Amino acid sequence: AQKITQTQPGMFVQEKEAVTLDCTYDTSDPSYGLFWYKQPSSGEMIFLIYQGSYDQQNATEGRYSLNFQKARKSANLVISASQLGDSAMYFCAMRESRGYGGSQGNLIFGKGTKLSVKP
Amino acid sequence: DAMVIQNPRYQVTQFGKPVTLSCSQTLNHNVMYWYQQKSSQAPKLLFHYYDKDFNNEADTPDNFQSRRPNTSFCFLDIRSPGLGDAAMYLCATSFLRTEAFFGQGTRLTVV
Repeated sequence: AQKITQTQPGMFVQEKEAVTLDCTYDTSDPSYGLFWYKQPSSGEMIFLIYQGSYDQQNATEGRYSLNFQKARKSANLVISASQLGDSAMYFCAMRESRGYGGSQGNLIFGKGTKLSVKP
Repeated sequence: DAMVIQNPRYQVTQFGKPVTLSCSQTLNHNVMYWYQQKSSQAPKLLFHYYDKDFNNEADTPDNFQSRRPNTSFCFLDIRSPGLGDAAMYLCATSFLRTEAFFGQGTRLTVV
């Protein structure tokens, strides 16, 4: 069963506008972490933002914020004031605790959303 | 300063000829991952180490092996590369539950 679902293969956004990239996840583990990564055409995976399953507040990092709705199992990424340099693939990822001393587990990725920012 | 370094950035190998990709880290992280990413697809986890504890994904082909001689280095060995193994190979590290840091990847071409 797919654990991370990104339903938007591609998105367009006008420069300086905000955009939301969707991510839903599936886990029975009460302890997990959710991550968003950006992958430009160069190929490197760049960490953007993290949300822990027990975190009470939504994570924010500069222009990035994570809209975490635990009951709906969604962790959408919001990019405010889009820039041309934001054009890239965006991946949502999840790590379950899996009980390696209660602290580790596989980091698995969704299929990604290709964001294109229009000038 | 690069913290996760993959060598080489580009690797061309012949069909069936063993090839080794390397990854080193300066972060002293206890977890190291190897991912395979084919064009326009999500990274697929092949295996990971938690310290010296090796964890193989169930669907990782036997053709792929890994070694971690010490905390800083991890190797991916492809024993008999096929055309279907052409991909970007990504190494990543993390410490406990923190975010994973990725190297720049090695793009493997099989001819």
